[in-house]
Order: sequence, then structure tokens, then C-alpha cells
Amino acid sequence: GQNIDQPTEMTATEGAIVQINCTYQTSGFNGLFWYQQHAGEAPTFLSYNVLDGLEEKGRFSSFLSRSKGYSYLLLKELQMKDSASYLCAVRDSDYKLSFGAGTTVTVRA
Amino acid sequence: GAVVSQHPSWVICKSGTSVKIECRSLDFQATTMFWYRQFPKQSLMLMATSNEGSKATYEQGVEKDKFLINHASLTLSTLTVTSAHPEDSSFYICSAGGSRGGNQPQHFGDGTRLSIL
Repeated sequence: GQNIDQPTEMTATEGAIVQINCTYQTSGFNGLFWYQQHAGEAPTFLSYNVLDGLEEKGRFSSFLSRSKGYSYLLLKELQMKDSASYLCAVRDSDYKLSFGAGTTVTVRA
Repeated sequence: GAVVSQHPSWVICKSGTSVKIECRSLDFQATTMFWYRQFPKQSLMLMATSNEGSKATYEQGVEKDKFLINHASLTLSTLTVTSAHPEDSSFYICSAGGSRGGNQPQHFGDGTRLSIL
């Protein structure tokens, strides 16, 4: 199975940078995904990593170290609309996703 | 635009009612779809993997006779919550895609909020 850990909550001010860490222990690894979920809505895809290194997509970047079982999601130039839950998810060799509990990010003016 | 369509969005019904939720992949064929359940302030928990033309694969602890899954075509999977009770009240979400590896993610439907009175 999978064991995925990420912080419960983070708070930052508008315009700042937030880094959300995720550590995982997995019986089979086939990629790591980050999703954003606003309250009452379904998750939306943000980023994907399968090889070590940094993937940049606009204000959001994601990093992966497979040897350390570690990933982070970097949110730059925070906006109020970025207030949401951010879910780290690991895909196993059966292509099933296991999700962390999510990190609630609150952006303050 | 949306790549996965799910409906209904919201269901409120009496205890003992059976509720059917549909999940459709738009513009692509999905031999595999996934059904999740999410309780308030908790993460998504995979309930089952829906396989087109064959039986669904259920996760440990999920009653297959309670949560009936049918995947009769390459674009449609249904989840039926049979004889629903208040403890079945939850947010049910389906997803499709990403089952062939690579950088294709699972895309989620908008979810169905089920409230059993």
C-alpha cells in the first residue's frame, strides 16, 4: 500500500511563496500528481512528476526525488483564489491513485 | 472544458432508497474508471476500479453488494448505492484517464453529494 504524508494546514499572504511538502512510502511507483481542490468541488489536476527534478507550469512548480520518497508543490505569487486544499497523490503499478489527506492553504490579504 | 461528466450533482433521499450515479468520459474512451468517496475534511478514498466489460475491483472494506458498479460501455460507468442509509452520506467522485501510464492524469467528475435522511 501507500503511506502519504503532507502538512494539514498552511497560511500565507498574497504575493508570497508557499511550498507544500509530501513524503510517501509506496509498494510500486508510477508517478506523483498534485491536485487542487476547492471546498465542495472535485479535484483539478495541477502537475505530474515521474522522473527526479523540477517541473514548472506558470506559478506552480513541482519537484520529485524518488530516492527520498519526497515531492513538493511550490506556489508562487499567491493569489486569493489559490486558497484551497492541495492533494498529493501517488500512482502505483496498477495505475491506482492513493491520496494524501491534503494541505489546506489559506491566503490572506 | 470538462473531460469527465458526472451526475447527478446532488441527491437527497430517504433511508432505504437506492441511488444511481453516472460517470461519463467525454471525447475519449475509458476502459478503466475509478470511484472515490470523500468525507468532510478528509481525503479521497478509492472505493473501486471499474473495468469495461468485466467485474469491478473493490478496495478492502468496500461492500460490493452495497455499491454496485456497472461499466457497460467505454464511456460510461455507473455506481449504485443500494438501500442507502445515513452513514452512506458522502461526496462520491468518479475519475477516468491515466490508466495507461505516462503523464496522463486522472480527470475527475464534478462529484455527487449524497445526503440520506
